[in-house]
Amino acid sequence: EAGVAQSPRYKIIEKRQSVAFWCNPISGHATLYWYQQILGQGPKLLIQFQNNGVVDDSQLPKDRFSAERLKGVDSTLKIQPAKLEDSAVYLCASSYYRGLGTEAFFGQGTRLTVV
Amino acid sequence: AQKVTQAQTEISVVEKEDVTLDCVYETRDTTYYLFWYKQPPSGELVFLIRRNSFDEQNEISGRYSWNFQKSTSSFNFTITASQVVDSAVYFCALLIKAAGNKLTFGGGTRVLVKP
Repeated sequence: EAGVAQSPRYKIIEKRQSVAFWCNPISGHATLYWYQQILGQGPKLLIQFQNNGVVDDSQLPKDRFSAERLKGVDSTLKIQPAKLEDSAVYLCASSYYRGLGTEAFFGQGTRLTVV
Repeated sequence: AQKVTQAQTEISVVEKEDVTLDCVYETRDTTYYLFWYKQPPSGELVFLIRRNSFDEQNEISGRYSWNFQKSTSSFNFTITASQVVDSAVYFCALLIKAAGNKLTFGGGTRVLVKP
């Protein structure tokens, strides 16, 4: 079974530029999460999708971050414009929603450096 | 609101020693799930175990064991006879079923096993 795919693996941009990350979850997984992991900290949930609907985006900085999940499969996370404090690893995860608290499977992440 | 606290930021042990990682969680929900994930230097979060709030049985898997105590809201993780390959950051996480399977992580504990 293929895992969660993310691209790119690394990205370096200047502040005020825009950037987009892509995630392809495991086939059949209805729930998709985007997390931000700043160096030395635990992952922080940015947004959670159930199919193509948003379940939770309370911690998403909506003035600069946006995410979509078209057709309930792939997802993109965009930052526009980026700030220095956005430097982090962005993790995508998916789980097979059965209402039973199934575990989430994570991609390798995209390491963003804003200079 | 839910919260996960991992008070130990870093633990250093010599190979073959046992190491216990503490995890304390907060939630008002009665149905929830607890997880432990391992994050090796490669960066990908690897699922280790899931426990639901109605099952307080301790579990052992090889050199890993978990102690779940609802009375103290703790879900501790012990590695017996540690090995160098156990060096990683370990995260405890809480999933709230009523919140649409929102998954919240603790800050992580870095384990360094020296030969």
